[in-house]
Amino acid sequence: SQQGEEDPQALSIQEGENATMNCSYKTSINNLQWYRQNSGRGLVHLILIRSNEREKHSGRLRVTLDTSKKSSSLLITASRAADTASYFCATLMNSGGYQKVTFGIGTKLQVIP
Amino acid sequence: EAQVTQNPRYLITVTGKKLTVTCSQNMNHEYMSWYRQDPGLGLRQIYYSMNVEVTDKGDVPEGYKVSRKEKRNFPLILESPSPNQTSLYFCASSWRGTTEAFFGQGTRLTVV
Repeated sequence: SQQGEEDPQALSIQEGENATMNCSYKTSINNLQWYRQNSGRGLVHLILIRSNEREKHSGRLRVTLDTSKKSSSLLITASRAADTASYFCATLMNSGGYQKVTFGIGTKLQVIP
Repeated sequence: EAQVTQNPRYLITVTGKKLTVTCSQNMNHEYMSWYRQDPGLGLRQIYYSMNVEVTDKGDVPEGYKVSRKEKRNFPLILESPSPNQTSLYFCASSWRGTTEAFFGQGTRLTVV
């Protein structure tokens, strides 16, 4: 079954505003990653947060992780039209000798110039 | 240039005709995986490999085979494709499953 689930599924904002996307998951994880996908193209890695971290920053990106609530959020500050894309969270379950990665269904972000 | 290369990018085939989608990476990564992406379902892992000769099922392995005879290559084999395997397929590689993944550009497969 799907592990990471993002919400909202679609988000439309004006350029300059902040965009917040959330991801919830069901089981214990090793780490959580966020990826970006421009329409129909390969995914590009944005940021990785480990299960023992609570917050991480990278440029205009801020990711939080709450393992007690099994949730993460991705904040994009001062959005630009070029941020228009789909954003996915991915969780890794690493146990018993296997490493299974599960992606959510994604949030489609539109930034209006 | 570090990259993951999938071929072909587009493929239309008929039901039952065996096909192989190739995937190659030049980063000496140990972990490789295949995903399919369908509208409303996100990316679902088909198979993954933690190293040469080590493969395991993901969430949707039915109807697919993989092999990992060399570190750089991880082909996806559809022995008898069916229309429900029409999808956008991505190959990805990483040092470990725990590290950032690099994705190929995708293969759009249509089975008629």
